Amino acid sequence: SQKIEQNSEALNIQEGKTATLTCNYTNYSPAYLQWYRQDPGRGPVFLLLIRENEKEKRKERLKVTFDTTLKQSLFHITASQPADSATYLCALVTPNAGNMLTFGGGTRLMVKP
Amino acid sequence: EPEVTQTPSHQVTQMGQEVILRCVPISNHLYFYWYRQILGQKVEFLVSFYNNEISEKSEIFDDQFSVERPDGSNFTLKIRSTKLEDSAMYFCASNPGLPSSGANVLTFGAGSRLTVL
Repeated sequence: SQKIEQNSEALNIQEGKTATLTCNYTNYSPAYLQWYRQDPGRGPVFLLLIRENEKEKRKERLKVTFDTTLKQSLFHITASQPADSATYLCALVTPNAGNMLTFGGGTRLMVKP
Repeated sequence: EPEVTQTPSHQVTQMGQEVILRCVPISNHLYFYWYRQILGQKVEFLVSFYNNEISEKSEIFDDQFSVERPDGSNFTLKIRSTKLEDSAMYFCASNPGLPSSGANVLTFGAGSRLTVL
C-alpha cells in the first residue's frame, strides 16, 4: 500500500522567510497530489493540487513541485506570516479504491514574528 | 462560500453506547465521505458514499459502523457500540463530481469530536 511521509517534527521559521515542507511517497506515483492546511481542532482545507505531468504549480505565495522520479513533492510558502502557522497535509489519490484520499501525517509549521 | 456542516461539535458518551454523527454536505455535491483523526495521528479514510450506497470502505469501517443518507440533505455516521478507541475527531467531506475524474478535491467539515469514556 502507498506510504506517505512528511516530516513529523515542527518547522519553525522567522516571519518573511520561505517555508519548505516535504512529502515523500513510496510505491506508485499518483496522478494527482494535493496539499491541505489544517488548523487545530478543524478540518483540512484544500490548498493546491498538482498533476503528475506538472513540475510546478503556484497560487499566490504558495508553490508546489512534484518530482515523480524522486517520489517527492515540495510545498513552499514565500514571505511567510504568523497566520501561516498550521499543520500542512500532503494527500494522494488511490486510483483503484474509489479515488479515496490517503493523507500524510502532516508537518506543523510555526512562523514567528 | 458553501460549506460542509457537522453536528454535534463535541459528544461525550459511555463505552457501549450508540452514537450518531450528522453532516450536511454541500448541496450539489455527489460523493460523501467520513474520515477520522485520532489525536496526534493521521487523517484516516473510513468510507465513501455515492448514489445512496457505500462505494469504498476501509478496514476501520467494521460492522460497528454504518452510514446513511436519510433525506436529501443529511449524511450520518452511526457507531453502534462505542469503544474507547473510537475516541477521535470525525470529519465529513464531500466532492462535487465523480472521483473517476481523478482529482477528488474534498471539502471537509469542521469535525465532530467524539470522546468515549
